[in-house]
Amino acid sequence: AQSVTQLGSHVSVSEGALVLLRCNYSSSVPPYLFWYVQYPNQGLQLLLKYTTGATLVKGINGFEAEFKKSETSFHLTKPSAHMSDAAEYFCAVRAGGFKTIFGAGTRLFVKA
Amino acid sequence: DGGITQSPKYLFRKEGQNVTLSCEQNLNHDAMYWYRQDPGQGLRLIYYSQIVNDFQKGDIAEGYSVSREKKESFPLTVTSAQKNPTAFYLCASTQGQENTEAFFGQGTRLTVV
Repeated sequence: AQSVTQLGSHVSVSEGALVLLRCNYSSSVPPYLFWYVQYPNQGLQLLLKYTTGATLVKGINGFEAEFKKSETSFHLTKPSAHMSDAAEYFCAVRAGGFKTIFGAGTRLFVKA
Repeated sequence: DGGITQSPKYLFRKEGQNVTLSCEQNLNHDAMYWYRQDPGQGLRLIYYSQIVNDFQKGDIAEGYSVSREKKESFPLTVTSAQKNPTAFYLCASTQGQENTEAFFGQGTRLTVV
């Protein structure tokens, strides 16, 4: 069975500071990993995904994530936070079937 | 543009009523899903369908029903048996391959009054 754990339900950073959102997964088969972003009262949209190949994945809006198999992690980073990055972020895994398993989400606050 | 359309955006239900949430996609995706979102609980899978005329229960199917008569449509009915239906409901679709992402609608916020 697959599972996803996001460390920290809320993260607060200052504008211009590094953003780090943590995600650990559990999977008995090679996983496909995703990060999604959700703005208030909207659906989720894809930020980036890891399927195969390069373990450092770049996404939209300057975000990137690194797949570390040995640590079963897929942390999301952005070098410099912008006010528009304030949103909820979900890490997700697909492995061995049709279902996508989502983490509980991390709400990012950006202070001016 | 291709995408997923959910309607209505806001829905109010009286106690004891059934309501149906609409989800339509023009992405030609085989698989469709319904999720429920509550604050601090992430997304929980209600039902999913891999193909027309077939669907499976997710983790919290009690009090809900679905149909998949057309590839493009996957409506969700919230029945009176669902004791706590107030939530944000999201519809999604994927291509069949595991390495593909989910595409989401804009959601329907259901409130019991």
